[in-house]
Amino acid sequence: EIVLTQSPGTLSLSPGERATLSCRASQSVSSSYLAWYQQKPGQAPRLLIYGASSRATGIPDRFSGSGSGTDFTLTISRLEPEDFAVYYCQQALTFGGGTKVEIK
Amino acid sequence: EVQLVESGGGLVKPGGSLRLSCAASGFTFSSYSMNWVRQAPGKGLEWVSSISSSSSYIYYADSVKGRFTISRDNAKNSLYLQMNSLRAEDTAVYYCASYDILTGWGDWGQGTLVTVSS
Repeated sequence: EIVLTQSPGTLSLSPGERATLSCRASQSVSSSYLAWYQQKPGQAPRLLIYGASSRATGIPDRFSGSGSGTDFTLTISRLEPEDFAVYYCQQALTFGGGTKVEIK
Repeated sequence: EVQLVESGGGLVKPGGSLRLSCAASGFTFSSYSMNWVRQAPGKGLEWVSSISSSSSYIYYADSVKGRFTISRDNAKNSLYLQMNSLRAEDTAVYYCASYDILTGWGDWGQGTLVTVSS
C-alpha cells in the first residue's frame, strides 16, 4: 500500500511569497496519476494539477507541479490572498495528509 | 457546465443505514468512472469507493468493504452509495467525483454530511 507524506504540515507565508509543498511516496509511483488539489473551508477539493505537472482547466500559471518517482512538488510562484488553503496530493486512490498554507 | 449534486446525508444511529445519491449533469455520465470520497470533520480526504462507467469494475476501501455498496444508473445520470452497519467513524462529508482518464478527478460535488451518533 502506497503512503503519501506531505510536508510541511503547515506553511506560514505572506502574500507575494513563493510556496513550495512536498509530497513523498513510500514507493515509486507513476507520474501519470499524481494530482494536486486545493481545498478551502466548506468547499469541495479543486483539481489544480494532474499528471504531476499539467495544470487543470482555469488554473493560473502561478501554480506548477513537478517531480517523479517518489518525490513531487507543488509550487505557487507568488501567493495571492485566495491561495491560502489546504493542499492535498493524490496518487491513484491514495491521498496525502495535506499541507495548510496560512497567512503569516 | 458540469454539475454533481449529492444528497441523502443526515443523522443516523450506529448500526443504521443511509443511501447517498449523486445527480450528474453537463457531461456524458455513462462514459465516466465515478468515485466517492469522504472527509471526517477536521481531517483529510479518504477514498471510499469507485465504479467504472458500465459498472463492470467496483472497488472499495478496506474500511467500508462489506458494509457499503456503490452503484449507478446511467439512464438516470445518477451515482449511489448504500451505507449499512454505520459506525461513528463513518461520520464525514461524502463527495462524489468524476474520473477522466486524461485529466483525472476534475469535477466534484459540494458534498453531503453524514453523522453517525446515538
